[in-house]
Amino acid sequence: EIVLTQSPGTLSLSPGERATLSCRASQSVSSSYLAWYQQKPGQAPRLLIYDASTRATGIPDRFSGSGSGTDFTLTISRLEPEDFAVYYCQQYGSSPRTFGQGTKVEIK
Amino acid sequence: QVQLQESGPGLAKPSETLSLTCAVSGYSISSGGYYWGWIRQPPGKGLEWIGSIYHSGNTYYNPSLKSRVTISVDTSNNQFSLKLTSVTAADTAVYYCARTRVAGAGGHWFDPWGQGTLVTVSS
Repeated sequence: EIVLTQSPGTLSLSPGERATLSCRASQSVSSSYLAWYQQKPGQAPRLLIYDASTRATGIPDRFSGSGSGTDFTLTISRLEPEDFAVYYCQQYGSSPRTFGQGTKVEIK
Repeated sequence: QVQLQESGPGLAKPSETLSLTCAVSGYSISSGGYYWGWIRQPPGKGLEWIGSIYHSGNTYYNPSLKSRVTISVDTSNNQFSLKLTSVTAADTAVYYCARTRVAGAGGHWFDPWGQGTLVTVSS
C-alpha cells in the first residue's frame, strides 16, 4: 500500500499569500496518478487537480499541481478567503487507492 | 449534471451490519464508463477508500476492509449499495459515495461526491 504523507499539517497564511502544500509517497506513484481535493467543514471533498497537474473543470487557475515519482506539490498562487480549508492528496496508481492525512490552510 | 445522494440509518449497533445506498441522478450507471465508489471519513480524520463497483458487478475492495464489505449495484433503480458487517465504534464515520473513471483496480480520481452521511456505531 502506498502511504501518502502531507506536510505541513497546518499552514497559517494571510489572504493574498502563496500556499505550497507537499504530498510525499512511500513509493513511486505510477504515471503521476495523483489528485488533490479541497474540503471545507461539513462538506464533501471537491476535486481540484488530477494526473498531478491537470485542473478539474471550473477550478481557478490560481490552483496548480506539480511533481512526479514520490514528490508532489499543490500551489495556491494567491489565497482567496474561500481557499481556507483542508486539502488532501490521493493516489490512484496502485491499489488500494489511498489518501494523505490532509493539510489545513488556516487564516493567520 | 451528475448528482449522488447517500441514504441509510444514521445509527448502527456494534456487531451488526451497516447498510447504505447511493442514488445516482443525471447519469445512467448502466451506460458504463465509470466505477462507483464508497469512501469514509471518521470524525476529524482523513479519508479512506472502501471500494468501487462497475455496472457489471465487478468490484474492487480495500484489503483492510475486504472481509467485511460488500458493494452491489442496482441498475434498474440507478443506485449502488454498501454493506459493512460486524461494525465497531471504529467504523463511525461520514460515508461518501462518488464516481470514478474506469481504470485499474478501483478507478482514478473521485468526482463528483455525494454530500455524505454520518453513521454512528453505538449501543
